[in-house]
Amino acid sequence: DAMVIQNPRYQVTQFGKPVTLSCSQTLNHNVMYWYQQKSSQAPKLLFHYYDKDFNNEADTPDNFQSRRPNTSFCFLDIRSPGLGDAAMYLCATSLEGHTEAFFGQGTRLTVV
Amino acid sequence: GQQLNQSPQSMFIQEGEDVSMNCTSSSIFNTWLWYKQDPGEGPVLLIALYKAGELTSNGRLTAQFGITRKDSFLNISASIPSDVGIYFCAGQGIQGAQKLVFGQGTRLTINP
Repeated sequence: DAMVIQNPRYQVTQFGKPVTLSCSQTLNHNVMYWYQQKSSQAPKLLFHYYDKDFNNEADTPDNFQSRRPNTSFCFLDIRSPGLGDAAMYLCATSLEGHTEAFFGQGTRLTVV
Repeated sequence: GQQLNQSPQSMFIQEGEDVSMNCTSSSIFNTWLWYKQDPGEGPVLLIALYKAGELTSNGRLTAQFGITRKDSFLNISASIPSDVGIYFCAGQGIQGAQKLVFGQGTRLTINP
């Protein structure tokens, strides 16, 4: 059974139209991450949460925001998607004090 | 920031051959992880290493945490078609932040 679930698997959005990607987990992990992965590249960390504490990476554009209403759910909001934001977006979780991160299946975002 | 250099970037082998890939860094890491990513999917954790010198196996996979804490290798023995994919090393640095640094990935292609 999938423990980190991302919805949808594929998302097409229009240039400039806000879009939200969702992630849920059944692991009860207190740390959740959002990564952006472009073709043939390593995942790039956008931000992560320790419980409700939000930690933004210095080079994450303001266009990317996140919400974590409770332990199980985390959302990635892209306020005005550009063509360069087309990528695979990966959600991951881990337990505080443990390094292993468990990834969801990803959401492939296409911007038209 | 800390960086990981992963090599080779790609490998083309015959089914049944053994595979070896490695990651190196100029700085020390506390933990090394190895992930496999299939096309269109999220990375899946293969092996986690926590101590310098540690050698860990998972079926046909063997990984080691280098003595200097600046490198790690992954070996796959007797490769089979389902081993095809991209393999990423990832490390947690000594700063203690619960974030992973990823290598650039090794793309493995197997000729039957």
